[in-house]
Amino acid sequence: NAGVTQTPKFQVLKTGQSMTLQCAQDMNHNSMYWYRQDPGMGLRLIYYSASEGTTDKGEVPNGYNVSRLNKREFSLRLESAAPSQTSVYFCASDEGYSNQPQHFGDGTRLSIL
Amino acid sequence: KQEVTQIPAALSVPEGENLVLNCSFTDSAIYNLQWFRQDPGKGLTSLLLIQSSQREQTSGRLNASLDKSSGRSTLYIAASQPGDSATYLCAVRPGDYKLSFGAGTTVTVRA
Repeated sequence: NAGVTQTPKFQVLKTGQSMTLQCAQDMNHNSMYWYRQDPGMGLRLIYYSASEGTTDKGEVPNGYNVSRLNKREFSLRLESAAPSQTSVYFCASDEGYSNQPQHFGDGTRLSIL
Repeated sequence: KQEVTQIPAALSVPEGENLVLNCSFTDSAIYNLQWFRQDPGKGLTSLLLIQSSQREQTSGRLNASLDKSSGRSTLYIAASQPGDSATYLCAVRPGDYKLSFGAGTTVTVRA
């Protein structure tokens, strides 16, 4: 009963390094999302994928890229990490435009020095 | 742009007291509203989802109400317990794929 699985759980990067955050869901959901959570600011949507083969920008997409690899997997890439991207990143999935709840992974805690 | 506000940011109550958490949103044209719980170092867990046509939803000691016309939702937790200590977030779905989140209310229930 895994739900949404994110890897890694923790990561420390130096400014300018690149990395990819991985996310997989086993609920056969059509839609997947990447958020960042910063103190006092709630969750902000970075990118989302309404269905396999599509991706769209959210509220704060600059500095990030995404890939919907298949229906299960949605990755987030930081091409050149900056200290402003230090945050907790959450992946989520749901049935999209529906009255079903959104399901979240446990997050990736990313620090950029 | 939908703005979601949760006041207060933090709340501390003695065990057994009822909890009342508030959520307000600026655009009443919503598809649904969701309440989530977040424990430290963890992701969000869905508690209740209220469809736009509904006035309230209940699950055990939890009850959430929705007043779209005034842009408000309230989460009631009856007879609070120390295990209810967590951050509670509300989120509205305007009518597409994207959820807009409030910053959350952090609740501490004192034994």
